[in-house]
Amino acid sequence: GDSVTQTEGLVTLTEGLPVMLNCTYQTAYSTFLFWYVQHLNEAPKLLLKSSTDNKRTEHQGFHATLHKSSSSFHLQKSSAQLSDSALYYCALTSPNTGYQNFYFGKGTSLTVIP
Amino acid sequence: DPKIIQKPKYLVAVTGSEKILICEQYLGHNAMYWYRQSAKKPLEFMFSYSYQKLMDNQTASSRFQPQSSKKNHLDLQITALKPDDSATYFCASSQEGGGRSQNTLYFGAGTRLSVL
Repeated sequence: GDSVTQTEGLVTLTEGLPVMLNCTYQTAYSTFLFWYVQHLNEAPKLLLKSSTDNKRTEHQGFHATLHKSSSSFHLQKSSAQLSDSALYYCALTSPNTGYQNFYFGKGTSLTVIP
Repeated sequence: DPKIIQKPKYLVAVTGSEKILICEQYLGHNAMYWYRQSAKKPLEFMFSYSYQKLMDNQTASSRFQPQSSKKNHLDLQITALKPDDSATYFCASSQEGGGRSQNTLYFGAGTRLSVL
């Protein structure tokens, strides 16, 4: 079945250093990949979304490129900010398979320190 | 304005009681979902509905019963509450299609349930 695997657990970075959170997935269908961000005591919010192979998607300083050949959708940012501290989820959906469901990874907690 | 409304925002219940969590979405979506997030744990999928029909259920306990009275409503009834049910419950919705905002999951603000 469909699944998502992402960098698990806690990632701590010093402000100004680059961010890279890994995400790989498994699906037999054409798919959309997502990154959601969840700040403390808030709901998850969409950060990035892509369904196009080898196309870079950017939003709020973050970017990711869907690589179907390696089933990856890694999240990157050139310079971490304190406000980037949050929980990040990679997710996928495969529309047109009868019904639409979303599969989430277990989340990566990013803490950015001064 | 929030397009997915969850009520109440906070809920305190006693063990053994029953509560209903309310969710209404005004995005015109055909699919609605419930997710749970316990303290320091990842999001956990519970149910998905499409056009008011149950499509998937990953909740082991029958104490959790979704109720869809209208296309844009998906409430969650929880009976015989236990302290382990304490969590934030997120309602979400999506719409399949070719548009830019489609095939994307949108979340409500959540209901934080504490069972004493």
